[in-house]
Amino acid sequence: RKEVEQDPGPFNVPEGATVAFNCTYSNSASQSFFWYRQDCRKEPKLLMSVYSSGNEDGRFTAQLNRASQYISLLIRDSKLSDSATYLCVVKGGSGGYQKVTFGTGTKLQVIP
Amino acid sequence: DTEVTQTPKHLVMGMTNKKSLKCEQHMGHRAMYWYKQKAKKPPELMFVYSYEKLSINESVPSRFSPECPNSSLLNLHLHALQPEDSALYLCASSQDTGPAGEQYFGPGTRLTVT
Repeated sequence: RKEVEQDPGPFNVPEGATVAFNCTYSNSASQSFFWYRQDCRKEPKLLMSVYSSGNEDGRFTAQLNRASQYISLLIRDSKLSDSATYLCVVKGGSGGYQKVTFGTGTKLQVIP
Repeated sequence: DTEVTQTPKHLVMGMTNKKSLKCEQHMGHRAMYWYKQKAKKPPELMFVYSYEKLSINESVPSRFSPECPNSSLLNLHLHALQPEDSALYLCASSQDTGPAGEQYFGPGTRLTVT
């Protein structure tokens, strides 16, 4: 089993739709969780950190479920500019260094 | 200011060349990273520097040699590369290597080895 798994998609959704991505992780000692977006041939950009209580930033909502070891990202009212690959990132480990593991990414295409 | 800068943006080099990639951040971050990313794949960690000391080397071939001259700068020296080393090389930084710090990425250097 991969350490961090994501459905690669692509998810093709119409403008205005709501779309959700899940990301599962295998290391129960993982401590921090993040969502990044990456546009084609660009660098990953931090979208949001994911907290135990869940957090929202405008149209984006992230949730963490430690019991089932997954995090989710919900995008409401999709815009064309949301088209990108969404990368789930998990940090965890013992000692001072927290290993950073990327999921393989989920591709989103928002269609006019 | 959450900016990490990288130079050059593009680099084409032959297998016998020696070149260097440069990365700079002015966020006061004490951890800096080199990643390699191939098309349609996630970034793959190469090196981690913590407080200017190399703390992680993910079994990277010796033709890649990292250097951290000071807390703001990170270099990656390249020598005798192979065509399969062609990729996007990303630098990132974070407050430290602990659990809380988000990583911020530079725009990358797109490397082609001929």
